[in-house]
This record gives sequence, structure tokens and C-alpha cells, in this order.
Amino acid sequence: QLQLQESGPGLVRSSETLSLTCTVSGGSISSSSYYWAWIRQPPGNGLECIGRIYYSGSTHYNPSLKGRVTISIDTSKNQFSLRLTPATAADSAVYYCVRAGVVRSFDSWGQGILVTVSS
Amino acid sequence: DIVLTQSPDSLAVSLGERATINCKSSQSVLYSSNNKNYLAWYQQKPGQPPKLLIYWASTRESGVPDRFSGSGAGTDFTLTISSLQAEDVAIYYCQQYHSPTPWTFGQGTKVEIK
Repeated sequence: QLQLQESGPGLVRSSETLSLTCTVSGGSISSSSYYWAWIRQPPGNGLECIGRIYYSGSTHYNPSLKGRVTISIDTSKNQFSLRLTPATAADSAVYYCVRAGVVRSFDSWGQGILVTVSS
Repeated sequence: DIVLTQSPDSLAVSLGERATINCKSSQSVLYSSNNKNYLAWYQQKPGQPPKLLIYWASTRESGVPDRFSGSGAGTDFTLTISSLQAEDVAIYYCQQYHSPTPWTFGQGTKVEIK
């Protein structure tokens, strides 16, 4: 059973860097069948795709965030990570790490982690 | 970006009755090479991550009850719950994965019991 678990600080100061890590268990992050994605959801609002990464390191980012976001992957640790800088209050959200396939799209989700950006 | 617009924003349906949610895309999400529509539906209950219900517009994910069905092609899609159960109260999102980036979601439709 594939499991994804987000970790990182729940509180980030405005203008600093929001950093999260997703640890994948029960499956290999090196699978050629999937991307590994970050999605966020501001409280009470809808879902926004931040970007995704392939095991090779190739990435796709949401243009609305490009320039501020970096997604990286560590196949040796079965982890992938998100960095968003500089953080603003508008980045306060629940952040989900997700497995993404070109057939079934976002088929496995972490439980999510609430990140608040404070001034 | 491909914009997905869901309607209605919310609906209240009696237990056992049909619930219908529409999703309209600003561009076609059909790949002519395999004749598949790259449109998925998700269910999100409070405090939980979204759960995949339907992919390729009409293929039910394993374990999803058959009262959930998806239909449509090109730019117009529908999620139908044939007989609403209490556990179906949730927000439902459509999502396209046709464009290289970004993959986008509709704004969500809240389903409640009348």
C-alpha cells in the first residue's frame, strides 16, 4: 500500500523559504510510470497544482509560481521536496504531496500539512 | 491554462435521489491519438485529502461504488451520483491532465443532503 507523508515546519515567516519534504513508502519513487507532485489548498478554498517531478529530475511548474518554486527528488531516500521562496501570506495553505500518473492522474495523496505564513 | 468551470457551486439532494455535477473546459481535453479524455473527478470530505473517483472521464477507480459515474467528451463532462447516500456529502472537483502544465482543477461543487 503506497503511503505519502508530508513533513516540515507549520509556520514560516513572510519573505523566508517554505520547505516541505514528502516521504514515500510502500513503493519506489524511481518508477517510470509516475510523477510526484505538490498540490495546495488554502483554507476553505480550492485546489492548485504547484508542480510535479519525474524520477529523472525533469519538472513541470505552474507558471503562476514559476521563479519562486523548486521541486527536487532524492531517489536514494525515496523522498521529494518543495521549496517556495519568498513566502507570502497568500502561500498559507494545506500542502499535499501526491503521486501523479498520465492515466489515473492524482491517484495517491498524503494527508496534507498546514503551513501558515506569518508576517 | 485550461480553465474548468463547474456547475452548480452547490446542490442539495434528497437521500436516494440523483445528483448531477457539470464541468466545462475552456479547451478540449481529448487526445485524438488514443481517443481518451484526460478528465478526472475527485471527492473531498472535511479534513481529508481528495480521493480519486473517475479518470479518463468515465473510468471508475477501483473500489469506488458504481453509483458514481462519469460521462462526457471534449469540453463538457458530468459526474452523476445515481442514488445519493449520506456518506456522499462532500465537495467534488473535476481536474484536467491534458495540458503539459499546469494540470488544473475546477472550483468545486458542494453536495449536501436536502
